[in-house]
Parts: sequence; C-alpha cells; structure tokens
Amino acid sequence: GENVEQHPSTLSVQEGDSAVIKCTYSDSASNYFPWYKQELGKRPQLIIDIRSNVGEKKDQRIAVTLNKTAKHFSLHITETQPEDSAVYFCAAISYSGAGSYQLTFGKGTKLSVIP
Amino acid sequence: GAGVSQTPSNKVTEKGKYVELRCDPISGHTALYWYRQSLGQGPEFLIYFQGTGAADDSGLPNDRFFAVRPEGSVSTLKIQRTERGDSAVYLCASSRLDPLAGGRETQYFGPGTRLLVL
Repeated sequence: GENVEQHPSTLSVQEGDSAVIKCTYSDSASNYFPWYKQELGKRPQLIIDIRSNVGEKKDQRIAVTLNKTAKHFSLHITETQPEDSAVYFCAAISYSGAGSYQLTFGKGTKLSVIP
Repeated sequence: GAGVSQTPSNKVTEKGKYVELRCDPISGHTALYWYRQSLGQGPEFLIYFQGTGAADDSGLPNDRFFAVRPEGSVSTLKIQRTERGDSAVYLCASSRLDPLAGGRETQYFGPGTRLLVL
C-alpha cells in the first residue's frame, strides 16, 4: 500500500516568514495530493490540492509543488500569519483494488507562527 | 450549506461496552469514509462506502468494528467490546462520486467523535 512520509513534525517561524512542509510517497500510481489544515479540536479542512498532471499550483499565499519523478510534494506558505498556526497534513490517493481509492495521510506538521 | 456532521461529539465508555458513532454526510455525496485519528497522528482509513455498500473495509482493525449505511446517506460506525486502545477521534468524510475523477474527488471532513474508553 501507499506510504506517506512528512517532514518536519514541528515548525516554528516568525510572522511574515515563509514555511515549507515536505512529503514523500511510495506508490508511483498516486495521482492526487491534497493538503489539510487542522486546528486544535477541529476538523481537517482542505486548503489546496494538486493533481499529477501539473507540477505547481498556487492560491494566494499557499502553493504546492509536485515532483512525480522523485515522488515528493511540498506545501509553501508565504507571509505567514498567526492564524496559519495549526497542524498540516499531506495525503496521497492510491488505488486499493476492487474499485476503491484510499487517502493515506502523513503524520502531520505542527506549524507555529510567532508574532 | 450544511457540512458533514457527526454525533456524539464526545463519547466516554467503559472497556467491554458497545458504542455507535453516527455520521451525516453532505447531501448528495455518494461516497462516505470513516477514519480514525490517534493523538499526534494523521487520519487512518477504516472503511469506504459507495452508496449503501461497503466498497472497501480493508482498514477496519478487527471484527469488533463494523459500519453500515443502509439508505446511502447516514452511516453508523459500531464498535463491540471496546478496548482502551480504541480511544481516538473517529472522523467521517464525504465526497461526490465522479466516475471520471479516478478517486480524486475532494473529501470533506466532519468534526469527529472523540471516543474515550476507560
């Protein structure tokens, strides 16, 4: 099955600086990579996703890059703000057989933005 | 519009008891997923429903866990003879089902049920 590794597990940045979170995956057939933000005690919320037919996608201060050859993808947050503080999860979709696709999540990165 | 809802938000039970956790998906979402999230971990896949049928239950840890979705909307996750190791947040997610998307539909999560087994 799919295996997703995420680094770092914790990240502290000064307000206004950039934050980068990196993930690797094992299944070369994976073709969809969403990123979720989870605030303490809240539900995971999709912030951006990328499909394997593109190498980069940007939405305001958030961007995601994908390198299919190396099987890694990254989340970039620019001009960080205190409200960006949360746990961020990367995930990869893979086909599990019998017509089913599964999302496999990384272990998360706790981002702290220091005012 | 209304998002995915889950009840109860918290559940405390004793070891050996039976519990039911409910998920109300977004209206019109055919696909429904259950995940388990332990402290400091990402969500782990348990089971996937396509309509009323469990299309993939490969993530269920053992036969104490069972889920149903009898009318293709609300789903119930059932845990028999609960153990302390079952303590976690149980998340439900739903998505549209697009045959052309190859599984790449966005999954929307509920707030979760925090289960504590004493």
